[in-house]
Amino acid sequence: DAGVTQSPTHLIKTRGQQVTLRCSPKSGHDTVSWYQQALGQGPQFIFQYYEEEERQRGNFPDRFSGHQFPNYSSELNVNALLLGDSALYLCASSPIGHEQYFGPGTRLTVT
Amino acid sequence: QKEVEQNSGPLSVPEGAIASLNCTYSDRVSQSFFWYRQYSGKSPELIMSIYSNGDKEDGRFTAQLNKASQYVSLLIRDSQPSDSATYLCAVKGNNNDMRFGAGTRLTVKP
Repeated sequence: DAGVTQSPTHLIKTRGQQVTLRCSPKSGHDTVSWYQQALGQGPQFIFQYYEEEERQRGNFPDRFSGHQFPNYSSELNVNALLLGDSALYLCASSPIGHEQYFGPGTRLTVT
Repeated sequence: QKEVEQNSGPLSVPEGAIASLNCTYSDRVSQSFFWYRQYSGKSPELIMSIYSNGDKEDGRFTAQLNKASQYVSLLIRDSQPSDSATYLCAVKGNNNDMRFGAGTRLTVKP
């Protein structure tokens, strides 16, 4: 049984560009949450998707947007990249309201 | 005041000792509490969840919750060098979003 998968593993972008990160949840999980983890910090909640809708959102600007597909996979889009967006982006899946399991993450570097 | 606070450490214990990790949270309506372990360069791994006051044991790990004091802890018995990692405390409220502490770095010395 495959766990949570994310792609790509690493990504280098230039300021002002746009990026799309992808996540496939663990089998049987219908909820996907996205987190940003800066070096030396805990993960910060970006948003959560359930039934193809954004259900909760953390304190992130509108440059951060997402989508969930009918097969429960999800994308995180970040527009107009800033240097401060450099971080590890984590996807976590769960059955709604239950424990969350993380994928391996995507390391984004903005230069 | 941060929503979830942990001592950043580093916490160093000898092999075989008990490691004690602490976490406090500010939101009184928080319902669910989790401990994640994160090795350097890896993603967080869920090791314990606790939902009601008291102790919950799983192998060498014991989670303790005191909602009145807004305090949750993790004890690791018979600590091993492989337990060396950053331990993240996470708290979930009614809204289903999880808030994490900054983590405590644990080193277990052989």
